[in-house]
Amino acid sequence: SQTIHQWPATLVQPVGSPLSLECTVEGTSNPNLYWYRQAAGRGLQLLFYSVGIGQISSEVPQNLSASRPQDRQFILSSKKLLLSDSGFYLCAWSVFTGPSPLHFGNGTRLTVT
Amino acid sequence: AQSVAQPEDQVNVAEGNPLTVKCTYSVSGNPYLFWYVQYPNRGLQFLLKYITGDNLVKGSYGFEAEFNKSQTSFHLKKPSALVSDSALYFCAVRDRGGKLIFGQGTELSVKP
Repeated sequence: SQTIHQWPATLVQPVGSPLSLECTVEGTSNPNLYWYRQAAGRGLQLLFYSVGIGQISSEVPQNLSASRPQDRQFILSSKKLLLSDSGFYLCAWSVFTGPSPLHFGNGTRLTVT
Repeated sequence: AQSVAQPEDQVNVAEGNPLTVKCTYSVSGNPYLFWYVQYPNRGLQFLLKYITGDNLVKGSYGFEAEFNKSQTSFHLKKPSALVSDSALYFCAVRDRGGKLIFGQGTELSVKP
């Protein structure tokens, strides 16, 4: 069966520091991969999605970037964190074809101080 | 553009009573609709989906949803609520590019 791993679970970083959040999927090949951010415990904002290695689409201009160095690995990064980057970051995957659901990891709670 | 709306920020239900969490959608073409549940500090869990066919979709944990094309709605239902159903519920529509567009979420509170 397929599983998705996201780490770390929680992270406290000072303003101006770099960020790297990692997500890996097991048990499937060539998944679509997604990064969402959830602010204030509610609305989900799609940040990036990827349909293949090295293929990244950005949904909103921001202080973050994403990379997909391997088929089942998706990384969210920042060179310099802002206070506004605080939030709950969720990685998700779906199969490439068809109207299939997204499957989410357990998320990373990021607090920028 | 595809969108979904959840008109209620919060729904309160007594344990054992039926529950309904509302969702309306706006899409061009046939909609692919989903319901997710989120417990505190956890990721979203997939409950059910509507692609085509029967308007009543059954999902996990006894939940079901009714698709109504004329009212552009996809309400989540459960005949008998449990305290453990208390959580945040999201309705979502999948756009042509495969991305999920979420509603703002509805907080369900089930009291004993």
